[in-house]
Amino acid sequence: NAGVTQTPKFRVLKTGQSMTLLCAQDMNHEYMYWYRQDPGMGLRLIHYSVGEGTTAKGEVPDGYNVSRLKKQNFLLGLESAAPSQTSVYFCASVDSYYNEQFFGPGTRLTVL
Amino acid sequence: DAKTTQPPSMDCAEGRAANLPCNHSTISGNEYVYWYRQIHSQGPQYIIHGLKNNETNEMASLIITEDRKSSTLILPHATLRDTAVYYCIVRGGGTSYGKLTFGQGTILTVHP
Repeated sequence: NAGVTQTPKFRVLKTGQSMTLLCAQDMNHEYMYWYRQDPGMGLRLIHYSVGEGTTAKGEVPDGYNVSRLKKQNFLLGLESAAPSQTSVYFCASVDSYYNEQFFGPGTRLTVL
Repeated sequence: DAKTTQPPSMDCAEGRAANLPCNHSTISGNEYVYWYRQIHSQGPQYIIHGLKNNETNEMASLIITEDRKSSTLILPHATLRDTAVYYCIVRGGGTSYGKLTFGQGTILTVHP
């Protein structure tokens, strides 16, 4: 049982480049989330999904898109990266009873 | 979701109990109190949660005041590995879909 995994662990982009971050969970959870964490700050919710084929905006959705084509995967896309998107990105999933949110190890993204 | 207030930092001697306070004076009746911690930029780790009764698990105890306006997380025998940022989060049920709103948390430093 791998829990929540994130790919890649590190990435450096140039301004304007695009990329996709992959989050995968093997716990059959319905709900999945993408957060970002800037230095010295708490996590902020970007987008979330309450089930396969559904997505919704969180607190800071601008500049990001997401897709949930399969229940176990939640993808976060940056269409045109900006330096302000330099951050650590965390994915999480939770079972339908909201008891515990499981987080992945994070992806460190630097945009130059 | 209700806003929480935590001290920015606390110290604790190894082997002693660490008591981390949290104020959530605007909490409503169906909102839970959750505690997470984040060790050195890893993904946040769930610790414990409660609604109105005190709760205990293998990691910690959660004491919620009778009026539910504040709570205390207790680590009974702190170790150096408990040094982390501790987040107190109030989360609603229903349409909140398990979304968590992170503040800046309390930096707990456990010293020898």
